[in-house]
Amino acid sequence: EAGVTQSPTHLIKTRGQQATLRCSPISGHTSVYWYQQALGLGLQFLLWYDEGEERNRGNFPPRFSGRQFPNYSSELNVNALELEDSALYLCASSYHLGRPSTDTQYFGPGTRLTVL
Amino acid sequence: RKEVEQDPGPFNVPEGATVAFNCTYSNSASQSFFWYRQDCRKEPKLLMSVYSSGNEDGRFTAQLNRASQYISLLIRDSKLSDSATYLCVVNPTGGGNKLTFGTGTQLKVEL
Repeated sequence: EAGVTQSPTHLIKTRGQQATLRCSPISGHTSVYWYQQALGLGLQFLLWYDEGEERNRGNFPPRFSGRQFPNYSSELNVNALELEDSALYLCASSYHLGRPSTDTQYFGPGTRLTVL
Repeated sequence: RKEVEQDPGPFNVPEGATVAFNCTYSNSASQSFFWYRQDCRKEPKLLMSVYSSGNEDGRFTAQLNRASQYISLLIRDSKLSDSATYLCVVNPTGGGNKLTFGTGTQLKVEL
């Protein structure tokens, strides 16, 4: 079974530009989560989508946004990039059945975003 | 106080040693708990879920103490391949929601 996939692997942008990151969940998973891991910091929750709807949002400014498509894949958009947005962006997917045993999150390999 | 706190390490241990990691969490309403493993510049991979009764998977044993809001991971007979960062992870509400990660404990297993 294929795992969570993300593209691109690496992305280099300059300040003020926009970045779009993509994620395809494990087949059968309806929930997609986005996390940011800045150098030396722990993973910080960004967004959770399930069945096409945004379900929860972390403490990030509105220029971080996303969407989930009917096939459950997802995009994360970061507008007006700032230097401190440089980080590894990880996508995870899970079922959403309301039980920890079934809703375990599995992570993709990440997109490393560098803002110059 | 951080929501999830871990000793960052590094823990340098010889092959074959037993090593224990601890983690505390601040939200007493937290309902599910996990240990993930992260290799350098890679994604986190689920190591094991942590249940109230404690659980074991081969050389790995996880314990949860809800009263003390404390989670532990014990690794017996350490292998070189166990070298990684171990992330303590808490889901405050249980099931399909945001995970709160500790900053991780680095383990280096040496010959």
